[in-house]
Amino acid sequence: KAGVTQTPRYLIKTRGQQVTLSCSPISGHRSVSWYQQTPGQGLQFLFEYFSETQRNKGNFPGRFSGRQFSNSRSEMNVSTLELGDSALYLCASSQLGENYGYTFGSGTRLTVV
Amino acid sequence: QKEVEQNSGPLSVPEGAIASLNCTYSDRGSQSFFWYRQYSGKSPELIMSIYSNGDKEDGRFTAQLNKASQYVSLLIRDSQPSDSATYLCAVNPGGGNKLTFGTGTQLKVEL
Repeated sequence: KAGVTQTPRYLIKTRGQQVTLSCSPISGHRSVSWYQQTPGQGLQFLFEYFSETQRNKGNFPGRFSGRQFSNSRSEMNVSTLELGDSALYLCASSQLGENYGYTFGSGTRLTVV
Repeated sequence: QKEVEQNSGPLSVPEGAIASLNCTYSDRGSQSFFWYRQYSGKSPELIMSIYSNGDKEDGRFTAQLNKASQYVSLLIRDSQPSDSATYLCAVNPGGGNKLTFGTGTQLKVEL
């Protein structure tokens, strides 16, 4: 069974640019969540999607957005990149229900220069 | 007050000993609790989940939950050097598949 697939693995972008990250969940998992991980802040929740609808949103500025497609694949976009956006972005998929934990992808390492 | 608190460590234990990792949470209505292991440079991996007060055992791992005290713990018996990693406590406060993570405890198992 394939795991959660994130692409690309590494990205280097310049301040002011925008970036799109992609996530394919485990087959049958309809909930997809995104997290930002940095050494100082740990894992910070960005948003969760289910059935193409955003169900939960974290405390990030509007520059961070996402969407989910009918096949449960998800993308997140960050516009007007800032140096502080440099982080590991993790996608996680889950079965529906609060008692199911996440399975994380390998992440996308974004560096903003 | 942070929503999920963990001692950052490092927690050092000798090989073969019991490692005890602790976590407290602030949302009294939280219903599901998880422990993740994260090796350096890797993504978090789910190792235990617990929903009811008491103990839950899975191999060398035991998760303990006390909702009255808002406390979750993870015991690792017969610790091995391969257990050296950062352990993340996560809590689902309800209302969807949103997990709130602690900042993690670094565990070092020494030979």
